[in-house]
Amino acid sequence: AQSVTQPDIHITVSEGASLELRCNYSYGATPYLFWYVQSPGQGLQLLLKYFSGDTLVQGIKGFEAEFKRSQSSFNLRKPSVHWSDAAEYFCAVGAYSGAGSYQLTFGKGTKLSVIP
Amino acid sequence: DTEVTQTPKHLVMGMTNKKSLKCEQHMGHRAMYWYKQKAKKPPELMFVYSYEKLSINESVPSRFSPECPNSSLLNLHLHALQPEDSALYLCASSQDQGSSGEETQYFGPGTRLLVL
Repeated sequence: AQSVTQPDIHITVSEGASLELRCNYSYGATPYLFWYVQSPGQGLQLLLKYFSGDTLVQGIKGFEAEFKRSQSSFNLRKPSVHWSDAAEYFCAVGAYSGAGSYQLTFGKGTKLSVIP
Repeated sequence: DTEVTQTPKHLVMGMTNKKSLKCEQHMGHRAMYWYKQKAKKPPELMFVYSYEKLSINESVPSRFSPECPNSSLLNLHLHALQPEDSALYLCASSQDQGSSGEETQYFGPGTRLLVL
Protein backbone atom coordinates (compact mmCIF):
# COMPACT_ATOMS: atom_id res chain seq x y z
CA ALA A 1 0.00 0.00 0.00
CA GLN A 2 1.15 3.53 -0.68
CA SER A 3 2.07 6.02 2.01
CA VAL A 4 3.24 9.63 2.27
CA THR A 5 5.44 11.10 4.96
CA GLN A 6 5.77 14.80 5.66
CA PRO A 7 8.47 14.89 8.35
CA ASP A 8 7.87 18.48 9.44
CA ILE A 9 4.65 19.13 11.33
CA HIS A 10 5.24 22.88 11.64
CA ILE A 11 7.71 25.22 9.94
CA THR A 12 8.21 28.91 10.62
CA VAL A 13 10.01 31.16 8.16
CA SER A 14 10.52 34.88 7.81
CA GLU A 15 8.83 36.72 4.99
CA GLY A 16 11.18 36.87 2.02
CA ALA A 17 13.11 33.77 3.07
CA SER A 18 13.25 30.63 0.98
CA LEU A 19 11.13 27.62 1.78
CA GLU A 20 11.41 23.87 1.34
CA LEU A 21 8.73 21.46 2.53
CA ARG A 22 9.68 17.80 2.53
CA CYS A 23 7.64 14.91 1.23
CA ASN A 24 8.62 11.25 0.97
CA TYR A 25 6.40 8.62 -0.56
CA SER A 26 6.26 4.86 -0.64
CA TYR A 27 4.75 3.23 -3.69
CA GLY A 28 5.87 0.31 -5.78
CA ALA A 29 4.97 1.67 -9.19
CA THR A 30 5.10 5.03 -10.94
CA PRO A 31 3.74 7.57 -8.48
CA TYR A 32 1.40 10.39 -9.35
CA LEU A 33 2.31 13.18 -6.94
CA PHE A 34 0.50 16.29 -5.81
CA TRP A 35 0.92 19.24 -3.51
CA TYR A 36 -2.21 20.93 -2.15
CA VAL A 37 -2.50 24.01 0.06
CA GLN A 38 -5.28 24.67 2.57
CA SER A 39 -5.93 27.98 4.27
CA PRO A 40 -7.82 27.83 7.59
CA GLY A 41 -11.42 26.72 7.13
CA GLN A 42 -11.01 26.43 3.36
CA GLY A 43 -10.86 23.64 0.82
CA LEU A 44 -7.72 22.25 -0.77
CA GLN A 45 -6.18 24.13 -3.66
CA LEU A 46 -3.92 22.31 -6.09
CA LEU A 47 -0.45 23.84 -6.21
CA LEU A 48 1.22 21.47 -8.66
CA LYS A 49 1.40 17.87 -9.77
CA TYR A 50 3.85 15.40 -11.26
CA PHE A 51 2.84 12.58 -13.58
CA SER A 52 5.86 12.09 -15.83
CA GLY A 53 8.53 13.93 -17.81
CA ASP A 54 10.56 16.81 -16.45
CA THR A 55 11.21 16.11 -12.78
CA LEU A 56 11.10 19.81 -11.87
CA VAL A 57 7.53 21.01 -12.02
CA GLN A 58 6.26 24.54 -11.72
CA GLY A 59 3.04 25.40 -9.97
CA ILE A 60 0.92 28.35 -9.03
CA LYS A 61 1.93 31.14 -6.65
CA GLY A 62 5.63 30.74 -7.48
CA PHE A 63 5.96 27.22 -6.07
CA GLU A 64 7.97 24.43 -7.64
CA ALA A 65 8.67 20.83 -6.71
CA GLU A 66 11.29 18.32 -7.71
CA PHE A 67 10.65 14.60 -8.10
CA LYS A 68 13.61 12.45 -7.10
CA ARG A 69 12.90 8.79 -7.71
CA SER A 70 16.13 7.64 -6.06
CA GLN A 71 15.14 9.37 -2.83
CA SER A 72 11.38 8.74 -3.14
CA SER A 73 10.90 12.44 -2.55
CA PHE A 74 8.81 15.26 -3.94
CA ASN A 75 9.87 18.37 -2.05
CA LEU A 76 8.10 21.69 -2.47
CA ARG A 77 10.11 24.88 -2.76
CA LYS A 78 9.60 28.61 -3.03
CA PRO A 79 12.46 31.11 -3.32
CA SER A 80 10.78 33.94 -1.41
CA VAL A 81 7.87 33.39 0.94
CA HIS A 82 5.03 35.90 1.27
CA TRP A 83 2.88 36.34 4.38
CA SER A 84 -0.11 35.04 2.41
CA ASP A 85 1.65 31.66 2.02
CA ALA A 86 0.90 30.83 5.66
CA ALA A 87 -1.31 27.75 5.46
CA GLU A 88 -1.34 23.95 5.73
CA TYR A 89 0.41 22.07 2.94
CA PHE A 90 -0.45 18.50 2.01
CA CYS A 91 1.57 16.18 -0.18
CA ALA A 92 -0.40 13.35 -1.78
CA VAL A 93 0.19 10.33 -3.97
CA GLY A 94 -2.42 9.01 -6.38
CA ALA A 95 -2.36 5.29 -6.79
CA TYR A 96 -4.45 2.23 -7.38
CA SER A 97 -5.54 0.35 -4.29
CA GLY A 98 -5.62 -3.40 -4.03
CA ALA A 99 -9.25 -3.38 -5.12
CA GLY A 100 -8.33 -1.59 -8.35
CA SER A 101 -9.75 1.79 -7.41
CA TYR A 102 -7.76 4.99 -7.74
CA GLN A 103 -7.31 7.02 -4.57
CA LEU A 104 -5.31 9.87 -3.13
CA THR A 105 -3.23 9.14 -0.07
CA PHE A 106 -2.33 12.26 1.87
CA GLY A 107 0.54 13.03 4.17
CA LYS A 108 -0.31 14.45 7.58
CA GLY A 109 0.45 17.96 6.43
CA THR A 110 2.94 20.69 7.27
CA LYS A 111 1.74 23.90 8.81
CA LEU A 112 3.64 26.93 7.54
CA SER A 113 3.83 30.07 9.64
CA VAL A 114 5.35 33.26 8.22
CA ILE A 115 6.95 35.92 10.39
CA PRO A 116 6.52 39.44 8.97
CA ASP B 1 -12.49 26.67 -14.87
CA THR B 2 -11.77 24.20 -12.07
CA GLU B 3 -14.48 25.20 -9.65
CA VAL B 4 -16.33 22.87 -7.33
CA THR B 5 -19.05 24.53 -5.27
CA GLN B 6 -20.48 23.33 -1.97
CA THR B 7 -23.49 24.44 0.02
CA PRO B 8 -24.07 25.30 2.74
CA LYS B 9 -20.80 26.78 3.93
CA HIS B 10 -21.70 26.14 7.57
CA LEU B 11 -24.25 23.82 9.14
CA VAL B 12 -25.30 23.28 12.74
CA MET B 13 -27.60 20.34 13.45
CA GLY B 14 -28.93 18.36 16.34
CA MET B 15 -28.51 14.63 16.65
CA THR B 16 -32.12 14.00 15.58
CA ASN B 17 -32.07 16.27 12.55
CA LYS B 18 -31.92 15.34 8.89
CA LYS B 19 -29.88 17.59 6.63
CA SER B 20 -28.12 17.42 3.28
CA LEU B 21 -24.87 18.72 1.89
CA LYS B 22 -24.69 19.63 -1.76
CA CYS B 23 -21.77 19.65 -4.19
CA GLU B 24 -21.76 20.78 -7.80
CA GLN B 25 -19.24 20.88 -10.63
CA HIS B 26 -19.59 21.90 -14.27
CA MET B 27 -16.26 20.67 -15.58
CA GLY B 28 -17.70 17.54 -17.16
CA HIS B 29 -15.95 15.38 -14.59
CA ARG B 30 -17.28 11.85 -14.19
CA ALA B 31 -15.83 11.03 -10.77
CA MET B 32 -16.90 12.77 -7.57
CA TYR B 33 -15.74 12.27 -3.99
CA TRP B 34 -16.73 13.01 -0.41
CA TYR B 35 -14.02 13.48 2.20
CA LYS B 36 -14.20 14.15 5.93
CA GLN B 37 -11.53 16.28 7.54
CA LYS B 38 -11.05 16.70 11.27
CA ALA B 39 -9.02 19.58 12.65
CA LYS B 40 -5.27 19.31 12.07
CA LYS B 41 -5.70 16.09 10.06
CA PRO B 42 -5.57 15.27 6.35
CA PRO B 43 -8.80 14.55 4.48
CA GLU B 44 -10.19 11.03 4.81
CA LEU B 45 -11.99 9.50 1.86
CA MET B 46 -15.62 8.55 2.50
CA PHE B 47 -17.25 7.82 -0.87
CA VAL B 48 -16.41 7.78 -4.55
CA TYR B 49 -18.88 8.00 -7.39
CA SER B 50 -17.80 7.06 -10.89
CA TYR B 51 -20.20 7.70 -13.75
CA GLU B 52 -22.98 8.32 -11.22
CA LYS B 53 -22.52 4.95 -9.56
CA LEU B 54 -21.11 4.41 -6.10
CA SER B 55 -17.74 2.74 -6.56
CA ILE B 56 -16.12 3.14 -3.15
CA ASN B 57 -17.62 3.27 0.34
CA GLU B 58 -14.86 3.42 2.92
CA SER B 59 -16.91 1.65 5.60
CA VAL B 60 -18.79 4.84 6.41
CA PRO B 61 -21.65 4.55 8.96
CA SER B 62 -25.13 4.40 7.45
CA ARG B 63 -26.07 7.73 9.03
CA PHE B 64 -24.20 9.18 6.04
CA SER B 65 -26.00 8.50 2.77
CA PRO B 66 -24.53 9.71 -0.52
CA GLU B 67 -26.49 10.37 -3.66
CA CYS B 68 -25.44 11.30 -7.19
CA PRO B 69 -28.57 12.50 -9.06
CA ASN B 70 -26.60 13.41 -12.19
CA SER B 71 -23.03 13.80 -13.37
CA SER B 72 -22.74 17.35 -12.05
CA LEU B 73 -24.31 16.96 -8.64
CA LEU B 74 -23.38 15.08 -5.49
CA ASN B 75 -25.33 15.09 -2.25
CA LEU B 76 -24.56 13.79 1.21
CA HIS B 77 -27.63 13.11 3.32
CA LEU B 78 -27.12 13.25 7.07
CA HIS B 79 -29.35 11.65 9.70
CA ALA B 80 -28.92 10.95 13.40
CA LEU B 81 -25.36 12.19 13.47
CA GLN B 82 -23.15 12.13 16.54
CA PRO B 83 -21.08 15.00 17.94
CA GLU B 84 -17.92 13.22 16.77
CA ASP B 85 -19.16 13.67 13.19
CA SER B 86 -18.46 17.38 13.48
CA ALA B 87 -15.84 18.15 10.83
CA LEU B 88 -15.16 19.86 7.52
CA TYR B 89 -16.78 17.90 4.69
CA LEU B 90 -15.02 18.30 1.39
CA CYS B 91 -16.25 17.42 -2.06
CA ALA B 92 -13.89 16.81 -4.97
CA SER B 93 -14.15 15.85 -8.60
CA SER B 94 -11.84 14.47 -11.27
CA GLN B 95 -12.13 13.75 -14.97
CA ASP B 96 -12.38 10.03 -14.39
CA GLN B 97 -11.70 7.48 -11.69
CA GLY B 98 -8.12 6.91 -12.61
CA SER B 99 -8.33 4.95 -15.83
CA SER B 100 -4.91 6.29 -16.81
CA GLY B 101 -3.57 7.09 -13.37
CA GLU B 102 -3.16 10.73 -14.37
CA GLU B 103 -6.17 12.04 -12.53
CA THR B 104 -6.29 15.34 -10.71
CA GLN B 105 -8.84 15.93 -7.99
CA TYR B 106 -10.23 19.44 -7.58
CA PHE B 107 -11.71 20.30 -4.22
CA GLY B 108 -14.57 22.50 -3.16
CA PRO B 109 -14.39 24.94 -0.23
CA GLY B 110 -16.07 22.51 2.14
CA THR B 111 -19.02 22.54 4.54
CA ARG B 112 -18.18 23.10 8.19
CA LEU B 113 -20.55 20.83 10.13
CA LEU B 114 -21.24 21.08 13.86
CA VAL B 115 -23.37 18.41 15.50
CA LEU B 116 -24.81 19.33 18.88
